[in-house]
Amino acid sequence: SAVISQKPSRDICQRGTSLTIQCQVDSQVTMMFWYRQQPGQSLTLIATANQGSEATYESGFVIDKFPISRPNLTFSTLTVSNMSPEDSSIYLCSVNEPTNYGYTFGSGTRLTVV
Amino acid sequence: RKEVEQDPGPFNVPEGATVAFNCTYSNSASQSFFWYRQDCRKEPKLLMSVYSSGNEDGRFTAQLNRASQYISLLIRDSKLSDSATYLCVVNPRGGKLIFGQGTELSVKP
Repeated sequence: SAVISQKPSRDICQRGTSLTIQCQVDSQVTMMFWYRQQPGQSLTLIATANQGSEATYESGFVIDKFPISRPNLTFSTLTVSNMSPEDSSIYLCSVNEPTNYGYTFGSGTRLTVV
Repeated sequence: RKEVEQDPGPFNVPEGATVAFNCTYSNSASQSFFWYRQDCRKEPKLLMSVYSSGNEDGRFTAQLNRASQYISLLIRDSKLSDSATYLCVVNPRGGKLIFGQGTELSVKP
């Protein structure tokens, strides 16, 4: 299966600042997905990142707060902007692998905003 | 109603027990179904896909009932290492996943 390198693995940030999370995949993939997992909760899709076009955001998530880049088929970034303590979560990227019909996740970024 | 609903946990079972998790989904047009396992502070990992004919992988058996919009996971002969949160996951349309809230399993010696 695809190998995803996600970084940073964790960070503690001051409110009002921004953090950019990176995901690098070892193979070309059409779509990459960004999820948020709040403490004690399951995963919620933030947006789908497509190469060559703007990301598609889910209800409740906006580009100004979570800008996404997808410069090529192996890389994507998610920025959490103007952070507040409510943004403290685990953020995960994911890719779909048509060959085995599964979805693989990066190891996650544990963000704490103070 | 949530798109994907799972049994509330936690399930506390002794080693060797058989345990079953249930899940229902609301979108009848959903295309594919999965069980993921998530260990504490780790990313979710695919346990198995779920097919209409049912599928088995060692001690794990998954079933799908499209008419009832119901998915199940059966774990036989539980091991301590099975302790984790099990996520029911549905793909209602191409490319995105909807996650259930997860069911926590704790297997005790």
